[in-house]
Amino acid sequence: GAGVSQTPSNKVTEKGKYVELRCDPISGHTALYWYRQSLGQGPEFLIYFQGTGAADDSGLPNDRFFAVRPEGSVSTLKIQRTERGDSAVYLCASSLSSAAGSPLHFGNGTRLTVT
Amino acid sequence: DQQVKQNSPSLSVQEGRISILNCDYTNSMFDYFLWYKKYPAEGPTFLISISSIKDKNEDGRFTVFLNKSAKHLSLHIVPSQPGDSAVYFCAAPLGSNYKLTFGKGTLLTVNP
Repeated sequence: GAGVSQTPSNKVTEKGKYVELRCDPISGHTALYWYRQSLGQGPEFLIYFQGTGAADDSGLPNDRFFAVRPEGSVSTLKIQRTERGDSAVYLCASSLSSAAGSPLHFGNGTRLTVT
Repeated sequence: DQQVKQNSPSLSVQEGRISILNCDYTNSMFDYFLWYKKYPAEGPTFLISISSIKDKNEDGRFTVFLNKSAKHLSLHIVPSQPGDSAVYFCAAPLGSNYKLTFGKGTLLTVNP
């Protein structure tokens, strides 16, 4: 079946602009996560959704970052007033549940470059 | 503060030999560990996991060992194949929502 789909695969934007990154999880997966991977680092947790609600947004770096999942399926990560330090690969993952035995399935990520 | 540490940025081995990838952790609350494999331009894919009630878990060519007293785990790949060349991440979930903490990764290169 189809895996986690992320669009666009690449996004180049100017400093100060607004961007939206989209994630389409595996059908039936109720848990959805956003991670950010900077060069030379492992993925870092941003936000977790269980269904439609953001159950844990403790990883969002500041209030310029916001994510939604209005119908419990597709999610959008929104970044306002982008800064060069926001440049990274943004990874979305989904799983059947948030239990330890339910591994995350990652998309291929969106590479964001802020110039 | 890195709670999951992979101190070797890279490892190179010959095809057919054993690859050993190491991971250390500092948080004694971790009770489950996972290894993910990542090819360039792709997302990480789940490889193998281990619960803290075990000290070994094996799946085909991949075995993970856990030493709780040393807060250390390792991934053994034997025999190594060129297709195993990838970045390997060690990760552990913290809290009930399965929020993963990842190490920085180790780039494994298996030479034919």
